[in-house]
Amino acid sequence: DAMVIQNPRYQVTQFGKPVTLSCSQTLNHNVMYWYQQKSSQAPKLLFHYYDKDFNNEADTPDNFQSRRPNTSFCFLDIRSPGLGDAAMYLCATSRVGNRLAGERQYFGPGTRLTVL
Amino acid sequence: TQLLEQSPQFLSIQEGENLTVYCNSSSVFSSLQWYRQEPGEGPVLLVTVVTGGEVKKLKRLTFQFGDARKDSSLHITAAQPGDTGLYLCAGDGAGSYQLTFGKGTKLSVIP
Repeated sequence: DAMVIQNPRYQVTQFGKPVTLSCSQTLNHNVMYWYQQKSSQAPKLLFHYYDKDFNNEADTPDNFQSRRPNTSFCFLDIRSPGLGDAAMYLCATSRVGNRLAGERQYFGPGTRLTVL
Repeated sequence: TQLLEQSPQFLSIQEGENLTVYCNSSSVFSSLQWYRQEPGEGPVLLVTVVTGGEVKKLKRLTFQFGDARKDSSLHITAAQPGDTGLYLCAGDGAGSYQLTFGKGTKLSVIP
């Protein structure tokens, strides 16, 4: 059973047209992350929520916003997508506190965003 | 800022060959994880190493955590086409629950 679900898997938008990507989890994890990944590169953390607390990475453009209305759902909003924002967007979760096992993150399958 | 240097960045080998991927840092990590990512999918955890000097085996994959917990290696024996993918190492530092990712190693195993 899928534990971290991302919808849609593929999203096409136009230059400058706002787009929202969604992520849901069935793990009841307290932390949810959004990463941007470009071709064959490592995931780049955009921001994360620790419960309701939003934590933005210093180099994340203002064009990217996020919402977490409840434990299960988290959204990535791109207000005015540019051509450079075309990428795979990965959502991940973790349960902070299980340090003996390492801070494993569970990733969703990603949403591939195309900007025309 | 903690950095993880992963090498090589790209690796193309014939089926049946052995290979090693390295993940190095000047920082100490509480744990280090290896993920494999197939095209169009999210990364999937292969293993977590926690103790310095630890060695873990997963079928043909052998993972080692350095004694000082600053580096790790992944060795694949008799690589198969199904091993093709992007291999990512990631570490969590003391006092931080976030992961620092290496840049990844893109492995292609040619039949």
